[in-house]
Amino acid sequence: NAGVTQTPKFQVLKTGQSMTLQCAQDMNHNSMYWYRQDPGMGLRLIYYSASEGTTDKGEVPNGYNVSRLNKREFSLRLESAAPSQTSVYFCASSQQGVLPLYGYTFGSGTRLTVV
Amino acid sequence: QKEVEQNSGPLSVPEGAIASLNCTYSDRGSQSFFWYRQYSGKSPELIMFIYSNGDKEDGRFTAQLNKASQYVSLLIRDSQPSDSATYLCAVGRDDMRFGAGTRLTVKP
Repeated sequence: NAGVTQTPKFQVLKTGQSMTLQCAQDMNHNSMYWYRQDPGMGLRLIYYSASEGTTDKGEVPNGYNVSRLNKREFSLRLESAAPSQTSVYFCASSQQGVLPLYGYTFGSGTRLTVV
Repeated sequence: QKEVEQNSGPLSVPEGAIASLNCTYSDRGSQSFFWYRQYSGKSPELIMFIYSNGDKEDGRFTAQLNKASQYVSLLIRDSQPSDSATYLCAVGRDDMRFGAGTRLTVKP
């Protein structure tokens, strides 16, 4: 059982280049999320999708776009990469309900460097 | 003001001791609270969740929640070197917010 799969694992971009981070889950979860993690700042929510067909901004959405392609896949796009977007990006999914409450299952992360 | 606050540590305890990790949150309406463990270079993994005031125990781990004080804690009993990691407190549901994490070192 793969869980949450992210690709690529590592990427180096030049300033101004674009790229898409891919995420897929095989747990039939409704909700999917994109976070970035920077030293000393913890995980910050970029965008999330509570269900197929919906997306919402999180804490730090500027410079990013997302697409919930279907129930399994949720991609994150950087249209014009900036050095400030150098970070580790995590995709996560969950099966939210009223009770019990479920936590997130995280992918292994993408380490992105923008030079 | 940060929404979820944790002491960054590092917190160092001897093997076999109790490690106490604390977290405060600003949104009084929050209803769900989580603790994640993250080993260096790895992704976070869920340890416990709690949504009712009081204590919840799972093996060597106990989560404590006090909504009136907007405080949640994690106790690790009989700490082991394998518990050395960063512990992340998280609050919320569809837009879960994380603290910056507390780094725990358990010394043999």
